[in-house]
Amino acid sequence: NAGVTQTPKFRVLKTGQSMTLLCAQDMNHEYMYWYRQDPGMGLRLIHYSVGEGTTAKGEVPDGYNVSRLKKQNFLLGLESAAPSQTSVYFCASSSPGTQNIQYFGAGTRLSVL
Amino acid sequence: GQSLEQPSEVTAVEGAIVQINCTYQTSGFYGLSWYQQHDGGAPTFLSYNALDGLEETGRFSSFLSRSDSYGYLLLQELQMKDSASYFCAVRDRYGGATNKLIFGTGTLLAVQP
Repeated sequence: NAGVTQTPKFRVLKTGQSMTLLCAQDMNHEYMYWYRQDPGMGLRLIHYSVGEGTTAKGEVPDGYNVSRLKKQNFLLGLESAAPSQTSVYFCASSSPGTQNIQYFGAGTRLSVL
Repeated sequence: GQSLEQPSEVTAVEGAIVQINCTYQTSGFYGLSWYQQHDGGAPTFLSYNALDGLEETGRFSSFLSRSDSYGYLLLQELQMKDSASYFCAVRDRYGGATNKLIFGTGTLLAVQP
């Protein structure tokens, strides 16, 4: 049972490049989330999804897009990467009845030069 | 606005007891959660309080006072492996939905021998 799997684990981009981060969960969870974590700032919600085909903006959505075409997958896209997007990105999932319990992936460490 | 405050760092010795406080200000409140994150790792769920009082899970306990907008995490019989960052998180109404957690900036606990 893998839980929440994020791909890739590390990535270095040049300013202006694009990339997609993949999150996959095998717990049949309805809700999925993308966070970024920067030193001293905790976890900040970028986008989230409450079900297949639905997405919504979180606290810091600018510069990111997401898609939830399948229930088990949640993709985070950076269309034109900027140095300010250098961060650690975490994906999480939860069930409607236990929304306070989120299960996190191992993270993607992204550097934008 | 929404905000959670917790100390940035706490130091304690092995075998001791430590308390990590969290105060919150949110537009709605649907429970206070605690997460643990070891350096470089994924956040993992520790405990959750929906109502006032103390919840105990092994060496860890969590307390909530809704009237004071305050909670704490109590760690007993500290072990070296408890050295980690601890985040409080509030499930809040944000943008009309209650499916999101707002995280504090984290408390770095250092356990010394």
